[in-house]
Amino acid sequence: AQRVTQPEKLLSVFKGAPVELKCNYSYSGSPELFWYVQYSRQRLQLLLRHISRESIKGFTADLNKGETSFHLKKPFAQEEDSAMYYCALRVQTTDSWGKLQFGAGTQVVVTP
Amino acid sequence: SQTIHQWPATLVQPVGSPLSLECTVEGTSNPNLYWYRQAAGRGLQLLFYSVGIGQISSEVPQNLSASRPQDRQFILSSKKLLLSDSGFYLCAWSVGWSPNTEAFFGQGTRLTVV
Repeated sequence: AQRVTQPEKLLSVFKGAPVELKCNYSYSGSPELFWYVQYSRQRLQLLLRHISRESIKGFTADLNKGETSFHLKKPFAQEEDSAMYYCALRVQTTDSWGKLQFGAGTQVVVTP
Repeated sequence: SQTIHQWPATLVQPVGSPLSLECTVEGTSNPNLYWYRQAAGRGLQLLFYSVGIGQISSEVPQNLSASRPQDRQFILSSKKLLLSDSGFYLCAWSVGWSPNTEAFFGQGTRLTVV
C-alpha cells in the first residue's frame, strides 16, 4: 500500500542554519510528489512540486527514486519559515483521477 | 478567480448530536472535491473525495458521510457524533489531475465533540 512518512514531528533550527525535512514514500506506481506548507493562521498551500524542479522561497526538493525520498532543504533558514510542512504523494485511483496522500507533517520552528 | 469557502470555522457539539459541515467552491466548474481530517499528531487523512455530482468515494470506514448535491458543493455529515470525531476538517478542490495539479484548501473547521 502507498505511504508517505515524515519521521520528524518537530524540527527546531536556528536562523541562518540549514534545514532539511525528511520525506520517504512507498508507492508501486510512478511517484508524483509535492510539499505543502501551512503558516500560522493561514491556509494549507502548495510549496513546490517535484515535476517542476523549482526553488520556492529558497527551498528545494529532489526526488530520489532509489531511496524513495523527497527531502525538502533550505541552506539558510529564516524566521518566516516557521510553519507546518507536509509531504504529499499523488496516488493513482481506478478512475485514473488520483488523490493526494499526505504525511503526518513536520512542524518547523526557526529561532533567532 | 477561484475561491473556496468552508464553514463554520469552529464548532462545539455534544456526543450523539448530528453534524453538517459545508464547503463551496466558486469560479470553477466540475472540480474534484476532498474532505480531509487533521487529527492531533496524525497529520492529514483523506476522508472522502468526489469527481462529480453524486459521486463520493470513501477512504476510511468511519462515523461520517459526504454528499455532493451540486457541482461546487461538498457536505460532510454525521448522524451521531463520537468523541473521536473531534479534529480539524479541511475541504479542498482541484481541477483535473496531472503532475502539475495543485490542490487548494479551505480555512478549515475546528470540531470539538464534548
